[in-house]
Amino acid sequence: SQQGEEDPQALSIQEGENATMNCSYKTSINNLQWYRQNSGRGLVHLILIRSNEREKHSGRLRVTLDTSKKSSSLLITASRAADTASYFCATDALSGYSTLTFGKGTMLLVSP
Amino acid sequence: EAGVTQFPSHSVIEKGQTVTLRCDPISGHDNLYWYRRVMGKEIKFLLHFVKESKQDESGMPNNRFLAERTGGTYSTLKVQPAELEDSGVYFCASSQVQGGAFFGQGTRLTVV
Repeated sequence: SQQGEEDPQALSIQEGENATMNCSYKTSINNLQWYRQNSGRGLVHLILIRSNEREKHSGRLRVTLDTSKKSSSLLITASRAADTASYFCATDALSGYSTLTFGKGTMLLVSP
Repeated sequence: EAGVTQFPSHSVIEKGQTVTLRCDPISGHDNLYWYRRVMGKEIKFLLHFVKESKQDESGMPNNRFLAERTGGTYSTLKVQPAELEDSGVYFCASSQVQGGAFFGQGTRLTVV
């Protein structure tokens, strides 16, 4: 079974709109993190939410976590063209280390 | 504080050749991880070092891949001989505590 499956796989919106991406996972976790990868660049850590947290904000980002449904969502408000990137959720299991399991990602395209 | 750095940023080699990727973790981080993203697929875990010891190498695809972390500082990942399917982006991450993994910019490997 695969951890951290995001949906949609691709999302195309206009600048100023909100973008919502979802992530589901299968096993119990310590933390769930969201990362962004711009084309040709590395992974940038966006936000970490712990298993005992339900919602977290960081600037224009809002992350929710529902451990009963084993799902998380990432909301980007007032999107900008610079938000165009692939977004990944990653989970780490209860093993005590930070080994992450990633999903395939959601490719977000924000058009001016 | 310097982040995780990876060298080279991009490598193009011919099938059958050898390539060595290097990762310098954040100073003081005992945990070092290698991940790989093959084109269009999810980011997959390769292996995990705690200091100089391999904690988990369950993600290493085959014996053409050799990772080392002598002295518990920087790490190298050697692919010998490289095959076409080895093309992708190789990420390194380091962490000091559970859940706080910082990623490098990645090395884009192209095998032709």
